[in-house]
Amino acid sequence: GEDVEQSLFLSVREGDSSVINCTYTDSSSTYLYWYKQEPGAGLQLLTYIFSNMDMKQDQRLTVLLNKKDKHLSLRIADTQTGDSAIYFCAESIYGNNRLAFGKGNQVVVIP
Amino acid sequence: AAGVIQSPRHLIKEKRETATLKCYPIPRHDTVYWYQQGPGQDPQFLISFYEKMQSDKGSIPDRFSAQQFSDYHSELNMSSLELGDSALYFCASSLSASGRALDEQYFGPGTRLTVT
Repeated sequence: GEDVEQSLFLSVREGDSSVINCTYTDSSSTYLYWYKQEPGAGLQLLTYIFSNMDMKQDQRLTVLLNKKDKHLSLRIADTQTGDSAIYFCAESIYGNNRLAFGKGNQVVVIP
Repeated sequence: AAGVIQSPRHLIKEKRETATLKCYPIPRHDTVYWYQQGPGQDPQFLISFYEKMQSDKGSIPDRFSAQQFSDYHSELNMSSLELGDSALYFCASSLSASGRALDEQYFGPGTRLTVT
């Protein structure tokens, strides 16, 4: 089945880069996603990567996927105070669009 | 742009009461998903509907039921509420398109249910 794990807390200075990691166990995942959750708000899709890709860059966001190790990471360049939030990775399998989320990683940006 | 609307935003109920949560998807979206997020937990998939039919079922208790109506809005009905049902309930919607593997889900702001 789907099982996603991720680390929990990261403190980063404004302007630095932040890296959030996630591991998953379901090798049949089709898409892997990164969602952002701000306090009192819903989940915002930041970016996603198809499972046959190794890397995807989207402005300040870089997603790296290591299928061999089932490891997914999100790098945020030039981290801003508005990036303070909880970040979730998630996966889905083609034909079954339910999302399986990881535990969430809280990022706190220090001005 | 219109987003997913959920109502109410906050709900307080007592144990053994019932609750109904509503979700209004983005216009023209045909698929609705429900997720439950307990305090400090990751969201867990409950159930989904496509074109008013249940399309997938996750870890939804038997005390809960849901449906999607002809206008595509969905309701999650929760009976015999327990303290452990206190959580943030998210609805998401998507537009399913044949030939496209990715159905991007757009999440609503959630309904925070507190059971006392």
